[in-house]
Amino acid sequence: NAGVTQTPKFQVLKTGQSMTLQCAQDMNHEYMSWYRQDPGMGLRLIHYSVGAGITDQGEVPNGYNVSRSTTEDFPLRLLSAAPSQTSVYFCASFATGRYGYTFGSGTRLTVV
Amino acid sequence: QQQVKQSPQSLIVQKGGISIINCAYENTAFDYFPWYQQFPGKGPALLIAIRPDVSEKKEGRFTISFNKSAKQFSLHIMDSQPGDSATYFCAASLIKAAGNKLTFGGGTRVLVKP
Repeated sequence: NAGVTQTPKFQVLKTGQSMTLQCAQDMNHEYMSWYRQDPGMGLRLIHYSVGAGITDQGEVPNGYNVSRSTTEDFPLRLLSAAPSQTSVYFCASFATGRYGYTFGSGTRLTVV
Repeated sequence: QQQVKQSPQSLIVQKGGISIINCAYENTAFDYFPWYQQFPGKGPALLIAIRPDVSEKKEGRFTISFNKSAKQFSLHIMDSQPGDSATYFCAASLIKAAGNKLTFGGGTRVLVKP
């Protein structure tokens, strides 16, 4: 049981490039979310999904797209990377009826 | 607008001492208040959580105190150990809201000196 798996662990992008951060969970959790972590600001919600085919925006969605074609996968796409998107990104999931999120180990992204 | 404010940003405590982290929230509709522990290079992990109908919850050396009227809650780490050195985040959410979205505080870096 791997939990929440994120790839890659590290990535350096040039301004304007696009990329996809991958997230997969094997716990059959309905809910999945993407957060970004910046110093002193805690974790801020980017996008979330309440089930396959259903996504919605969080607190800081600009510049990011998501889709949820299966229960297991919830990729985060950066459309045109900007230095302001330099951050650590965490994917998380939780099951209906339970309250605790399970987080992945994160992707550290640097945009130069 | 920061809906959950956490203090202090960092603290140093001697082994065996008590670590206290405070959080204040604004949205009175919040009904779930978890604390997460994060070690360097890892994702946050749920440590302990409380619902607003309870004023205190204890799990081992970790205790949450909740003051609904003041809209504040705190984490106490008793008999702090070097292995407790980590960043701690408080959070709040609306369980029945779509996605049970967590709103996090800014985090507290705790260093326990041996």
